[in-house]
Formats: sequence, structure tokens, C-alpha cells
Amino acid sequence: DVKVTQSSRYLVKRTGEKVFLECVQDMDHENMFWYRQDPGLGLRLIYFSYDVKMKEKGDIPEGYSVSREKKERFSLILESASTNQTSMYLCASSSVGQGARTQYFGPGTRLLVL
Amino acid sequence: DAKTTQPPSMDCAEGRAANLPCNHSTISGNEYVYWYRQIHSQGPQYIIHGLKNNETNEMASLIITEDRKSSTLILPHATLRDTAVYYCIVLPTNTGNQFYFGTGTSLTVIP
Repeated sequence: DVKVTQSSRYLVKRTGEKVFLECVQDMDHENMFWYRQDPGLGLRLIYFSYDVKMKEKGDIPEGYSVSREKKERFSLILESASTNQTSMYLCASSSVGQGARTQYFGPGTRLLVL
Repeated sequence: DAKTTQPPSMDCAEGRAANLPCNHSTISGNEYVYWYRQIHSQGPQYIIHGLKNNETNEMASLIITEDRKSSTLILPHATLRDTAVYYCIVLPTNTGNQFYFGTGTSLTVIP
């Protein structure tokens, strides 16, 4: 079974803090993704990466950065956390190639910024 | 990008088949239909996907109409643990690998 793990299920931080969210996948997938999920807004893509050290902006990259130093690990960084970044953060991974590219999701990190 | 339309909510009796419809009338010929579900406070779980043919796995069956403009996810014997929000998604081929989740169908399995 594909396994995507996230470093924390719940996190509470203060405004202005630097926040690191870690994601690890064990299926040797090339692609990794960070989404946030908010009520009524569905899932929105923040960043994705298709290879080590490569990254692409998604729909809402402002206030976030990412790091992919190893193939299995994709980190999301909130440089200076703000209350409007309180959300559920979801990591996903997928392989590449023709045809279907199923994304497998982690359990999510629920972040509260006070 | 092909959009999907799903009913906001459905109920199903435990042990009965749950049939969840999805409309994707603007789907292109090489776009896949995916189904995921999300149980409260957890990450989305992959269920099944298909292109043209009907598909079945250990979790569900996917029926795609011949014109590909709609599909139905079938959970053959719904249990209480199947209570979740179900998302029907079309994977566009011109925007990389981005999945766009809408609001889905909230399925409640009733004892």
C-alpha cells in the first residue's frame, strides 16, 4: 500500500512564527503536492514538485514556500504564520507517465495560528 | 477544464447499494474520471478511476456512460464506515497533475 505520512496531525502556532510541515512518501513517486482545505472552498493547490529540487506554484502560493531535497520528502514552509493560514494542510504524491496519475494523500495536518 | 456536478447529499440504508451520480458533460476524450472520499478530519482516500470502460475493485464499481458525460460510483453493500464526502473529479491533461476537488456528495449511511 502507498503510504504518505505527515509530521503532525495537529499544530498550534503563534502569528509571525516560522512553521514547517513535513511530508514523506514511500512509493518512490516523482510528484508531490501540498494543498490546503477550507470549508466551502474545497482543496486548493499551494505548490507541487515533479522532481528533487524542482517546484511549481499552484493556485495560492503566497505566504508559502517549499523544499524538496530528497525524492521522498516534501516540506511546506510558512515563513511568517498568519491567522488566515489556519487550515487543514494535505500532502499528496503520484507517479508520472501516460494515462492515469492517481494521487495518494496523507492524513492531513490541522494548523491553528493564534 | 471539465467541471463536475454532484448532488450535495444522499442517504443510504446500511447493507444496501449506494449509487452516487456525477455529471461531467464537458469531459474530453482523454480525461479520466476519478473518485475519492474523505471521512471527517482525514485525508482524501482514493477509490477508483476510469476512462471509458466500467471498472471494479475491492471498494467499489464505476459505471461510465457511453457518451462519457456522466458516471456513477456504486458501493455494493454500504456500511456505517462508508459515511463520508465523495468527490468525483476529472483529471485535465493540459494542466499537469492538479486535482480540483469540488464540494462533493455527503453520503450518510443509516443503520
